[in-house]
Parts: sequence; C-alpha cells; structure tokens
Amino acid sequence: GAGVSQSPRYKVAKRGQDVALRCDPISGHVSLFWYQQALGQGPEFLTYFQNEAQLDKSGLPSDRFFAERPEGSVSTLKIQRTQQEDSAVYLCASSYSDRGSGNPDTQYFGPGTRLTVL
Amino acid sequence: GESVGLHLPTLSVQEGDNSIINCAYSNSASDYFIWYKQESGKGPQFIIDIRSNMDKRQGQRVTVLLNKTVKHLSLQIAATQPGDSAVYFCAENSGGSNYKLTFGKGTLLTVNP
Repeated sequence: GAGVSQSPRYKVAKRGQDVALRCDPISGHVSLFWYQQALGQGPEFLTYFQNEAQLDKSGLPSDRFFAERPEGSVSTLKIQRTQQEDSAVYLCASSYSDRGSGNPDTQYFGPGTRLTVL
Repeated sequence: GESVGLHLPTLSVQEGDNSIINCAYSNSASDYFIWYKQESGKGPQFIIDIRSNMDKRQGQRVTVLLNKTVKHLSLQIAATQPGDSAVYFCAENSGGSNYKLTFGKGTLLTVNP
C-alpha cells in the first residue's frame, strides 16, 4: 500500500519568505509527527498530532513554525520568514494509533522535504 | 540533556561479513527502542524494535540486543549485503513517552563488495 508522502521534495526559499510543506500520512493512521533533520544528524521531534488535535508542539524551534492538520489527515508545516538556520530536511511520520498508554506504535516516515534557505 | 548516542560514526565491512552497530542511551526511563535505516535521499525505514522487558529480538538477518544494566543497544546484521549500506539510527521513546522519539546521530555502514 501507499506509504507516507511529502511534497514538495525540494524547496529553495529566499531568506524571509514563507514556505508550506505538505504531508499525506498512511490512510487510517491516527498519529502524525513532524521531525527536523539537520545534515549529518538524527531527526529531531517537532510536533505531534492525534487526529486533528496538536497534542505536543514542544519541539517547534520558534513561533515562526506552525503546523496544522485540520481534518485529521493531511498536515501542513508552515515556516514564516525563513532563516538560513531553517535549512534542513523536514520529515513527516505517521502511526496507526494514539496509544493512550503503553509504548508507541511504529512510526513510518515519508521521504522528507529538503528545504534550503538562501 | 539526556540523549541517545552512537559509539562509531562509520563502519566499513566486507560483503558477507556480520555487522554490529552500537548505541548508548542515557535516559533510564526509556522503555522502547527502535532501529531505523536511512538511505541517501530517503526517510528513515523501520528495521526492528525492542521493548525493555526483553533483552534480545530477532528479525530477518537482524538481531537487536538490549543491555539495560549498561544502557546499551546493538544491531547485528548477518551476512551483510551491499544493499545494507546506509545510515543506521537508534531511537528511544523519550523518557517513556508513548509517542516522542529521540534519535541518535547515526552510524554510516559501508559494505564493500
């Protein structure tokens, strides 16, 4: 079946521009995650949705970062007034259930969007 | 803060050899660990996971070992193939979180034919 898809795959922005990155999770997956991966580093957690509710946004680096999932499926990560330090790969992942208790379900990742801010 | 780390940033092996990738974690409250494989230009791909009530788990050609006493995790790949060449990340559920993962920096595995 189809996995997690992200678009665009590559995005070049001039400093100060706003960008919007899209994630289509696996159909039926309740949980959705955004991660930021700097070059040569592991992914770092940004935010977590359970259906349309954003339950954790503690990893968002500044108030320029905003994520939404209005209908509990597709999600958009928006970055306003981009800065050079925002250059990274932005990964989206989804998992089947929210797991109110116990260990997390397996997170399946998309291919990522590589953002370059000039 | 507490984080997951890797001992070896790079590992080069011959095709057919066994590979061992190590990972140290420091958050004793974490109770779920995962290994991901990431090829160039792709997202992390789930390989195998293990919960803290186990010390060993086997998959197809892969084995994960967990030593909670020394907070150490390892991934063993049997009969390594060129297609195994990638960056491997260990991750933990941050302090026992039921959703948040903390990743290590990764180990680059290169398999020589």
